[in-house]
Amino acid sequence: GNSVTQMEGPVTLSEEAFLTINCTYTATGYPSLFWYVQYPGEGLQLLLKATKADDKGSNKGFEATYRKETTSFHLEKGSVQVSDSAVYFCALSLSGGGADGLTFGKGTHLIIQP
Amino acid sequence: GAVVSQHPSRVICKSGTSVKIECRSLDFQATTMFWYRQFPKQSLMLMATSNEGSKATYEQGVEKDKFLINHASLTLSTLTVTSAHPEDSSFYICSARDPFGRSSYEQYFGPGTRLTVT
Repeated sequence: GNSVTQMEGPVTLSEEAFLTINCTYTATGYPSLFWYVQYPGEGLQLLLKATKADDKGSNKGFEATYRKETTSFHLEKGSVQVSDSAVYFCALSLSGGGADGLTFGKGTHLIIQP
Repeated sequence: GAVVSQHPSRVICKSGTSVKIECRSLDFQATTMFWYRQFPKQSLMLMATSNEGSKATYEQGVEKDKFLINHASLTLSTLTVTSAHPEDSSFYICSARDPFGRSSYEQYFGPGTRLTVT
């Protein structure tokens, strides 16, 4: 079956630190990969996506590259801010994310301290 | 952007009763909606896929008679937990897909409903 494994938190960093949240996956087909973010009291929001190998998704200073050879999609940001504090979910879909449900990792709680 | 709401945000019910959770797409028509369940410190687990005007498709292990899903309009899907028991206590999240939107692949998530069964 399909599964997503991501590092468990909480991850606590100081403002302006470099961020990496690891994500690896297993899939029966060729998946599209996503990162979602959930701010306190809000629904999940799409942060970035990649649909094929070597694609790089980017948004709000966050980046992730689809690595087929290592089945990974690690999330990175060069300099985090307090406002980045949230829960981050890595997810995959075999249909591109629209036609079928998503398979999620457990989520990583990120805490940025001033 | 596309907005999805859920109602109620929190509900407490007694064991043996039924509770209905609503999921609405506020500014777009959603032909497909998804229902997820999230346990503490666990990932979101897909429960079912709801297509407007047709029966929902349930994931393996999800009891369709216990979790009734209705998608009677393009903006509303409901999840009814029938004869609820304490083990049904969880966080239920819906998402909706806008097939005509800027990103047809993207799912828009509601804020979730916390169900507590006493």
